[in-house]
Amino acid sequence: NAGVTQTPKFQVLKTGQSMTLQCAQDMNHNSMYWYRQDPGMGLRLIYYSASEGTTDKGEVPNGYNVSRLNKREFSLRLESAAPSQTSVYFCASKRSGNTEAFFGQGTRLTVV
Amino acid sequence: TQLLEQSPQFLSIQEGENLTVYCNSSSVFSSLQWYRQEPGEGPVLLVTVVTGGEVKKLKRLTFQFGDARKDSSLHITAAQTGDTGLYLCAGFSGGSNYKLTFGKGTLLTVNP
Repeated sequence: NAGVTQTPKFQVLKTGQSMTLQCAQDMNHNSMYWYRQDPGMGLRLIYYSASEGTTDKGEVPNGYNVSRLNKREFSLRLESAAPSQTSVYFCASKRSGNTEAFFGQGTRLTVV
Repeated sequence: TQLLEQSPQFLSIQEGENLTVYCNSSSVFSSLQWYRQEPGEGPVLLVTVVTGGEVKKLKRLTFQFGDARKDSSLHITAAQTGDTGLYLCAGFSGGSNYKLTFGKGTLLTVNP
């Protein structure tokens, strides 16, 4: 079972470059999430999508955009990367009515 | 300001000792969850507590939800080296069952 798949696993960007982080889930979940994790900061919610066709801002949305492409896929875009966006990014998904979120293995992004 | 405050942030103990970690908020939650994260992996759900005053046991781990549903604790009895990891509490904020936010976590190290 694939679960939540994130690509790429590692990425190095130069300041000002753009990129899209991909996330796909095969569990037919309605809700999807993007988090960033920095040392000592736990997981901070960037954006979430309660269901296909909707997206909402989380705690730290500035500098990011998202697209809920279909029920399976939820992408995170950095239009102009900054060193402050160096982090580990996690995608998660959840079935409506349930509390458990399932996470991917993360994307480690370094902006130099 | 973090909605969920976890303490302590770091905990280093010897194998066989007992420990308790805390998750506190000024807000009422419909449920709280505890996740465990190992290095290089995404968080994995341990338990969800739903009812005020509820106590759940998972082998040597005991989870409690405060009567007012504003706080929770995780107690580990006779810690083992395999318990080492980052323990995160999480809850749905903003009055929805979609916006899942996390505390900063407690990094537990159990030494042999």
